[in-house]
Amino acid sequence: EIVMTQSPATLSVSPGERATLSCRANQSVRNKLAWYQQRPGQAPRLLIYGASTRATGVPARFSGSGSGTEFTLTISSLQSEDFAIYYCHQYNNWPPVLTFGGGTKVEIK
Amino acid sequence: QVQLVESGGGVVQPGRSLRLSCAASGFTFSSYGMHWVRQAPGKGLEWVAVISHDGSNKYYVDSVKGRFTISRDNSKNTLYLQINSMRPEDTAVYYCVKAGISGDYFDYWGQGTLVTVSP
Repeated sequence: EIVMTQSPATLSVSPGERATLSCRANQSVRNKLAWYQQRPGQAPRLLIYGASTRATGVPARFSGSGSGTEFTLTISSLQSEDFAIYYCHQYNNWPPVLTFGGGTKVEIK
Repeated sequence: QVQLVESGGGVVQPGRSLRLSCAASGFTFSSYGMHWVRQAPGKGLEWVAVISHDGSNKYYVDSVKGRFTISRDNSKNTLYLQINSMRPEDTAVYYCVKAGISGDYFDYWGQGTLVTVSP
């Protein structure tokens, strides 16, 4: 099983500041990595797929990078609606055994 | 616009069965793989199962193999999850999720249906 580890577990950031979230896989997932945002009481929302491609309608302040085992989600200037939990997800293996990271909560500093 | 609407959740006793449904609209349902993802209260996301666009291939997370069955009816644009021999650890919000066009990422999610397994 591919294990995804996200860090930090909690990130305290002031509005307008930059946030950098990390996701590490215990083996290569190539670029088959997605990021999701989950606000309280809501379903997750796709932000990034293919490690760096923004999903439809996602603001440009969200960017993804990385390949292999190390990935980063960057939010360039945090807005109030960005305070949420973020999950990474690998979809590389076949047959599919899809796994998520444990999440990073971005909270207001 | 894409819509995924789950139903069928509720409170169930351990050992009993439940069938979840997901009504899909706004896209060509028969062209896409579909997944179920669950989230226990206060916990993270767990992928549960996937079914190919035509229903010919199905895969499950190890913890549900033999108890859960994913299926679909492309004539009704509906996805199903049959849950048997329910356990307290199956308590979660179950999300119906559409696969992306270029891989098994999740581009659209339903609002979720809560399943509670309790005596």
